[in-house]
Amino acid sequence: KQEVTQIPAALSVPEGENLVLNCSFTDSAIYNLQWFRQDPGKGLTSLLLIQSSQREQTSGRLNASLDKSSGRSTLYIAASQPGDSATYLCAVRNPGGATNKLIFGTGTLLAVQP
Amino acid sequence: DGGITQSPKYLFRKEGQNVTLSCEQNLNHDAMYWYRQDPGQGLRLIYYSQIVNDFQKGDIAEGYSVSREKKESFPLTVTSAQKNPTAFYLCASSTTPGRTSGKDTQYFGPGTRLTVL
Repeated sequence: KQEVTQIPAALSVPEGENLVLNCSFTDSAIYNLQWFRQDPGKGLTSLLLIQSSQREQTSGRLNASLDKSSGRSTLYIAASQPGDSATYLCAVRNPGGATNKLIFGTGTLLAVQP
Repeated sequence: DGGITQSPKYLFRKEGQNVTLSCEQNLNHDAMYWYRQDPGQGLRLIYYSQIVNDFQKGDIAEGYSVSREKKESFPLTVTSAQKNPTAFYLCASSTTPGRTSGKDTQYFGPGTRLTVL
C-alpha cells in the first residue's frame, strides 16, 4: 500500500532564505507526483506536476525534483517571501487503472518571517 | 470564470441529521472527487466519479453517499451513520485519466467546513 510522508511537519524561515521541503513515498512505481499549496481554510492549488519519466519541473522560484528509485521528491523554494507562507502537500498517483486517485502526504506548514 | 464552487462554506450538523454538501464545476471535466481533511492528516478520498451516473467508493466511504446525475454536479451527503463528521471537505475535478498524457491534475474547490453540534 502506497504511503506518502512529508518532513518536516512545520518549518519557519526568515524572508529571503532558500528552503527545501521533502516528500517520500514507499512504492517507487508511481505514475506522477504533484506538489500543491494550501492557504489556511482554502482549497488546494497545484504548483508542479512531475511525470514518472521526468527528473524535475520548474515554475518561477519553485523547483521540484523526483528520484523514483529512492522514493523521494523535493520542493525547492528560492528567495522565500512572506507570501509563500502556506501548507505544502505532495501527492502521488499510482499507475494502472483508469482513475486519477491521488495519495496525499500530511503536508509541511511553512512560515516565512518578514 | 471557470472553476469549482462548493457550498456552503460553513455547515453545522446536529446529531442524527443528514446534511448535503454541494460541488459544482464548469470546467467540462468528466471526473470528480470528494476528500476529507482532518488536522494533521493528509486528504483522504471519500468517493470519486469518472462519468455521469457512475461513482466508486474511496478509502473512507462509510457514512457518506453521493450522486452524479449531471456532469457538472457531484453532491456529497453526510449521513447520521458517520460518527465523526467534523472535518474540512474538499471537492475536486479532473479530465478523464489517460486522455491528457498524464497531465491530468486535479482542480480543487474552496472547501466546506462541517461541524457537529
